[in-house]
Amino acid sequence: AQSVTQLDSQVPVFEEAPVELRCNYSSSVSVYLFWYVQYPNQGLQLLLKYLSGSTLVKGINGFEAEFNKSQTSFHLRKPSVHISDTAEYFCAVSDTGANNLFFGTGTRLTVIP
Amino acid sequence: GAGVSQSPSNKVTEKGKDVELRCDPISGHTALYWYRQSLGQGLEFLIYFQGNSAPDKSGLPSDRFSAERTGGSVSTLTIQRTQQEDSAVYLCASSNRDLFRGYTFGSGTRLTVV
Repeated sequence: AQSVTQLDSQVPVFEEAPVELRCNYSSSVSVYLFWYVQYPNQGLQLLLKYLSGSTLVKGINGFEAEFNKSQTSFHLRKPSVHISDTAEYFCAVSDTGANNLFFGTGTRLTVIP
Repeated sequence: GAGVSQSPSNKVTEKGKDVELRCDPISGHTALYWYRQSLGQGLEFLIYFQGNSAPDKSGLPSDRFSAERTGGSVSTLTIQRTQQEDSAVYLCASSNRDLFRGYTFGSGTRLTVV
């Protein structure tokens, strides 16, 4: 089974600064990769996903992530964060051909004015 | 429907009472999942349905927890004799098994046991 590691449980960053949220997964087999965002008191919303093709994936709200197969990573980046980006971010992975996701423990991003 | 619908959005119950949480998945989504999220914590997998059957119910924390799904659609998560440690947000998600592109989550039910 897959496992997903989000090493940073909390990431504080100043407004308009860049941010990277790290995600590593365990298996080197063919995978689908996802980032979800959870704003306070809300459910999880899909931010972006990698299924195939270009390893650089662009999502909503200016976020992007890069799939690195050799490093089994799928780090999330944004060049300039806003206060409204304050939320919990979850990385998730599934093996292609499977239909269940394995989630990381989440990274709480706090944007400081 | 257009999205995953969960009801109620909030539920306050007394310790020892039974509660039912409902999830209405996206029409045509054959797979349905229940997760629990305690305050400030990550996602805890509870149970997975494919159609009306539950091939994986390994995450149910005790025999007080049960879930069913009928007609390949609506699912109900039942917690009997609720305890304070059951207080959490219960999230439901659905996906299309034949064209898996990740989960779509509902907004959750916030359960508070007093």
